[in-house]
Amino acid sequence: GEDVEQSLFLSVREGDSSVINCTYTDSSSTYLYWYKQEPGAGLQLLTYIFSNMDMKQDQRLTVLLNKKDKHLSLRIADTQTGDSAIYFCAEAQDTGRRALTFGSGTRLQVQP
Amino acid sequence: NAGVTQTPKFRVLKTGQSMTLLCAQDMNHEYMYWYRQDPGMGLRLIHYSVGEGTTAKGEVPDGYNVSRLKKQNFLLGLESAAPSQTSVYFCASSSPGTGGIYEQYFGPGTRLTVT
Repeated sequence: GEDVEQSLFLSVREGDSSVINCTYTDSSSTYLYWYKQEPGAGLQLLTYIFSNMDMKQDQRLTVLLNKKDKHLSLRIADTQTGDSAIYFCAEAQDTGRRALTFGSGTRLQVQP
Repeated sequence: NAGVTQTPKFRVLKTGQSMTLLCAQDMNHEYMYWYRQDPGMGLRLIHYSVGEGTTAKGEVPDGYNVSRLKKQNFLLGLESAAPSQTSVYFCASSSPGTGGIYEQYFGPGTRLTVT
């Protein structure tokens, strides 16, 4: 079955690193995504990782994938107040519908 | 290039009323999706379409119908609204990218309240 889980809330101070965690259950997932949702807006793709990769770095963002434990994390370095948002992880299977299964989202609060 | 647009942005319905949400994309994407977002539950797939003239059920299709008469438009209908359908509705579109990346582009959402 498909299930993606995230912790609901994370609070950090400006300048610190943030680590948002996600676990998924479907071992056939081909791509894993991180989306960001700012208040009143739709979801915006932040980054993604292919399932045969362990790590991907993109400027302040680092994605780590532990396939054995089905654990995905997003690290934001030097977190800024503009990073305050809800972060969703999502998985995609290589099926015809190409739909994503989303976690419940982690609300990141950055304190000045 | 507007991306994905949704109409309306807000709507209040009484129980039993009907309405149609319109989603339009100008990126020539093949795939389109309707999700609902409820507090603490992430996004759940209602219906989706893999091309013009085709639709299919997602995880939570009951109470909704969809149509994809034109490639750029995907309509979500509520025939008889219920309070349980109070939610924020997101439309998304995608097209196979380099290496099979299934990036989805989202609209800004429609906030629907059913009283």
